[in-house]
Amino acid sequence: NAGVTQTPKFRVLKTGQSMTLLCAQDMNHEYMYWYRQDPGMGLRLIHYSVGEGTTAKGEVPDGYNVSRLKKQNFLLGLESAAPSQTSVYFCASSYSFEEREWGEQYFGPGTRLTVT
Amino acid sequence: DAKTTQPTSMDCAEGRAANLPCNHSTISGNEYVYWYRQIHSQGPQYIIHGLKNNETNEMASLIITEDRKSSTLILPHATLRDTAVYYCIVRAYNTGGFKTIFGAGTRLFVKA
Repeated sequence: NAGVTQTPKFRVLKTGQSMTLLCAQDMNHEYMYWYRQDPGMGLRLIHYSVGEGTTAKGEVPDGYNVSRLKKQNFLLGLESAAPSQTSVYFCASSYSFEEREWGEQYFGPGTRLTVT
Repeated sequence: DAKTTQPTSMDCAEGRAANLPCNHSTISGNEYVYWYRQIHSQGPQYIIHGLKNNETNEMASLIITEDRKSSTLILPHATLRDTAVYYCIVRAYNTGGFKTIFGAGTRLFVKA
């Protein structure tokens, strides 16, 4: 199993450009999440999904959109990138609460995004 | 979700037990305590979680006080590879949404 993979690993954008980050998991997990991590800070939840076709806002959703068209994929979009979105983005997935006690999230290796 | 308080950093000698404290005085009855760690530049890694009872797995032990207001993560024989940021999180599932707060964590330095 590859676990959670993220594409791309690195990206540099100019202000106003758009891009999509792809997260894929092969563990048949129901729940998927997108976090951002800024220097010296913990992770902050951007958006999450509790199943195929569903998405919901986390702590810091502004400026981002997400889609979960397939159970194994969770896409994070930046429509008009801003320097404040320079960060490391982590995707994670987990079992649903009904399947197992929530908690054990599996994280991807991260995408380092710089917006100039 | 309850807020957690952790020391900013700690040192530990290699081979010794590392005891990482976490205060969660506002924890409610249905909230679990989780520990994750993040080794430099990597994605966070799940370590252990518990509700009331002490828990042990191949990585660590989790000691939760009887009043559940604090807990301690114990790495029994710390190695240099255990140098990482350790996050204590208190979570409960609710249909209102997932607002997981990782916080800044404790930076553990294991020294030879």
